[in-house]
Amino acid sequence: GAVVSQHPSRVICKSGTSVKIECRSLDFQATTMFWYRQFPKQSLMLMATSNEGSKATYEQGVEKDKFLINHASLTLSTLTVTSAHPEDSSFYICSARDRTGASTDTQYFGPGTRLTVL
Amino acid sequence: QKEVEQDPGPLSVPEGAIVSLNCTYSNSAFQYFMWYRQYSRKGPELLMYTYSSGNKEDGRFTAQVDKSSKYISLFIRDSQPSDSATYLCAMSSGGYQKVTFGIGTKLQVIP
Repeated sequence: GAVVSQHPSRVICKSGTSVKIECRSLDFQATTMFWYRQFPKQSLMLMATSNEGSKATYEQGVEKDKFLINHASLTLSTLTVTSAHPEDSSFYICSARDRTGASTDTQYFGPGTRLTVL
Repeated sequence: QKEVEQDPGPLSVPEGAIVSLNCTYSNSAFQYFMWYRQYSRKGPELLMYTYSSGNKEDGRFTAQVDKSSKYISLFIRDSQPSDSATYLCAMSSGGYQKVTFGIGTKLQVIP
């Protein structure tokens, strides 16, 4: 099956530092990757859609200068939280869409990254 | 009104029970319907995928879509403690449009 990995799984950092999260599709090529935030007892909130080789499309209310997304290859997308603050503490999850799959709408999720900003 | 409504639970059932999980939606353009299972502190895992109306069965899981009522269901037969997780419904209108998720229903299967 389609496997998506995320690294790191957990990160604790000081306020003001930047944190990079990697998302990789391990056994398929993903033209599109998605980044979500999930707060406790809340639904997945789409932050941005990342297409390989082009700029990410951010959802309304998401600061593109704060959440930098790079999708340099068909198997790797990165999310950098710049100058992180305690309110950025959350569970960040990426997902990838298989370009060869019969379904254009199923997404395969990574295991998530728990970010804690002190 | 949210596009997708899902009761967050928690829902507690004894082992072996049949579980019914549901979502309602308001966007009549939705055509693709998914169910994901999410264990605590993990990413969602795709369980079922359905296009348009009808039923789909996979082992102990059955997904139903009633587009006329804008209502989708996931049934779990012979529920097991390992089924304890949060179940999220998700849907989209296709054509690479954004997928909209429900809030998730927390299920606990008691041995």
